[in-house]
Amino acid sequence: AQSVTQPDIHITVSEGASLELRCNYSYGATPYLFWYVQSPGQGLQLLLKYFSGDTLVQGIKGFEAEFKRSQSSFNLRKPSVHWSDAAEYFCAVGGNYGGSQGNLIFGKGTKLSVKP
Amino acid sequence: DSGVTQTPKHLITATGQRVTLRCSPRSGDLSVYWYQQSLDQGLQFLIQYYNGEERAKGNILERFSAQQFPDLHSELNLSSLELGDSALYFCASSVRTSGANTGELFFGEGSRLTVL
Repeated sequence: AQSVTQPDIHITVSEGASLELRCNYSYGATPYLFWYVQSPGQGLQLLLKYFSGDTLVQGIKGFEAEFKRSQSSFNLRKPSVHWSDAAEYFCAVGGNYGGSQGNLIFGKGTKLSVKP
Repeated sequence: DSGVTQTPKHLITATGQRVTLRCSPRSGDLSVYWYQQSLDQGLQFLIQYYNGEERAKGNILERFSAQQFPDLHSELNLSSLELGDSALYFCASSVRTSGANTGELFFGEGSRLTVL
């Protein structure tokens, strides 16, 4: 079955420190992978996506993620965290079924807190 | 601003009642998706419509139904409400081209339903 696991429910980092949020997926075909961010009271905003090609993808707000097929992982990274990055982060997997589907399967999320 | 509009933003009702949540997708998007977000279940895919037709079904209860109208807006109907239906309900839309559906979803800000 298709699934996404985010092992860390809550992470706290100091402002200026580096960040890595983990994501592992289980998917039968070539996955499309996404990271979304949700600020309190807001909807989900796309940070970055991977479809094919270069396994290191750059996103908005200085985030990047690396696709590792051998590890079924798509970890999100940022070299220096800002206080405004405090939010909940969701990893998601989807696929192309010739356009017949497009729904994404989401992990349970990782809540990021940033210490001053 | 994702371009996806959901109303109402907040809704409080009693058990046994029925409510309707409304979603206007981004201009030009043909697919609409409904998700339920709760603390214990995370983000659960409910149902997808494409150009007025149901395309995929997820964990949607029989008490819930949805439709997409000719103008592409969608409504999610929740009936015989129970306490456990209290959640944040998201609508998302996506671009559907003649080729592959990349699966990237654009989310509204959600409708928070509280059942008392």
